[in-house]
Amino acid sequence: DAGITQSPRHKVTETGTPVTLRCHQTENHRYMYWYRQDPGHGLRLIHYSYGVKDTDKGEVSDGYSVSRSKTEDFLLTLESATSSQTSVYFCAISDGLAGDTQYFGPGTRLTVL
Amino acid sequence: AQSVTQLGSHVSVSEGALVLLRCNYSSSVPPYLFWYVQYPNQGLQLLLKYTTGATLVKGINGFEAEFKKSETSFHLTKPSAHMSDAAEYFCAVGPNTGNQFYFGTGTSLTVIP
Repeated sequence: DAGITQSPRHKVTETGTPVTLRCHQTENHRYMYWYRQDPGHGLRLIHYSYGVKDTDKGEVSDGYSVSRSKTEDFLLTLESATSSQTSVYFCAISDGLAGDTQYFGPGTRLTVL
Repeated sequence: AQSVTQLGSHVSVSEGALVLLRCNYSSSVPPYLFWYVQYPNQGLQLLLKYTTGATLVKGINGFEAEFKKSETSFHLTKPSAHMSDAAEYFCAVGPNTGNQFYFGTGTSLTVIP
């Protein structure tokens, strides 16, 4: 298995509070991604990074920000959590080459009350 | 833009029966195609992928998929279902250029004893 960890694995928070999710990899892959998974929607890309300090938006980026200060760490921040952000969040990594596989972390289940 | 359609959000088969999960894609260029499996409360694991070459691709756990360019399809099959195959299955298209993977909405497979 690819060396990807996510923390925390579960979190319950209240509306309006900031939340930061962490993804850590030991594979030295260039690309890192944050997805959310919701019933009926599959996986939707939030943000991705193609290098240290290099990030770009995905299809559902509103309300989320990211940072990547080291190759191995990719942080996802909800500045002011809302109930619509209750979801399961997955981090993924890849080398970014054509045909390369994405490898996924175990996920973080976030509940916003 | 690329997109992926998985026909049937829920599929039930009897143990020992053929498993067929359907995936169609739209892509303006030859695609890279993936099938992932997700067991409850886990991340996604790669089952198999098509990049170039042989159009029949064999994966783990006895699964295989055939790339049919004329039908823009990449259906997943397994001759004989096992109870352990019960999971969520996702089809995905990988990037030729750019960095985004596109996922279908998933198919939940139930195996009936």
